Amino acid sequence: AQSVTQLDSHVSVSEGTPVLLRCNYSSSYSPSLFWYVQHPNKGLQLLLKYTSAATLVKGINGFEAEFKKSETSFHLTKPSAHMSDAAEYFCVVSRPYNNNDMRFGAGTRLTVKP
Amino acid sequence: ETGVTQSPTHLIKTRGQQVTLRCSSQSGHNTVSWYQQALGQGPQFIFQYYREEENGRGNFPPRFSGLQFPNYSSELNVNALELDDSALYLCASSFATPNEQFFGPGTRLTVL
Repeated sequence: AQSVTQLDSHVSVSEGTPVLLRCNYSSSYSPSLFWYVQHPNKGLQLLLKYTSAATLVKGINGFEAEFKKSETSFHLTKPSAHMSDAAEYFCVVSRPYNNNDMRFGAGTRLTVKP
Repeated sequence: ETGVTQSPTHLIKTRGQQVTLRCSSQSGHNTVSWYQQALGQGPQFIFQYYREEENGRGNFPPRFSGLQFPNYSSELNVNALELDDSALYLCASSFATPNEQFFGPGTRLTVL
């Protein structure tokens, strides 16, 4: 069985300050992990993915995430928030190299204040 | 934009009716997955089709069924609609199962 828990349902930051969105996972095998972003009225977009290579994963738009097996975490960070980062973010776990049962977290809504 | 299209964008049905949602996959993709996203929740995996065969199913009742056509487009059918079926239905396509999924914008279904 596999699942993810997103620890914050809502995060609010000021523009230019760091972003931290937290995700813990549970998996009975070495998982693949993803972060997706969902802007209003748009489809989900992949930000980054971990598939058992480097533990620090760099994604698009300046986001990165670190896989920590000892803490079963895969937190998403960005050094400096931009207004366009305001959206819903989902942490996702799946079996390695197999996307036919991806488990999404409940989501974290990121608000960016001017 | 991902190249994955879904129709219709919005749909209103009444309890007990049947609905068909459609998805056109991105060019070159042979795998389509369907997800249900209830309001305020993350998407939940319904099922996946790979080269016209079902290739995995989530915890959804049999009244949720699907189909994939030779051109790899796909349909999601839901029979005997219930109020709790109101949600955003997302489809995602990929080239085979190990690879990145690309999501469409979704169909918003409202059941009254």
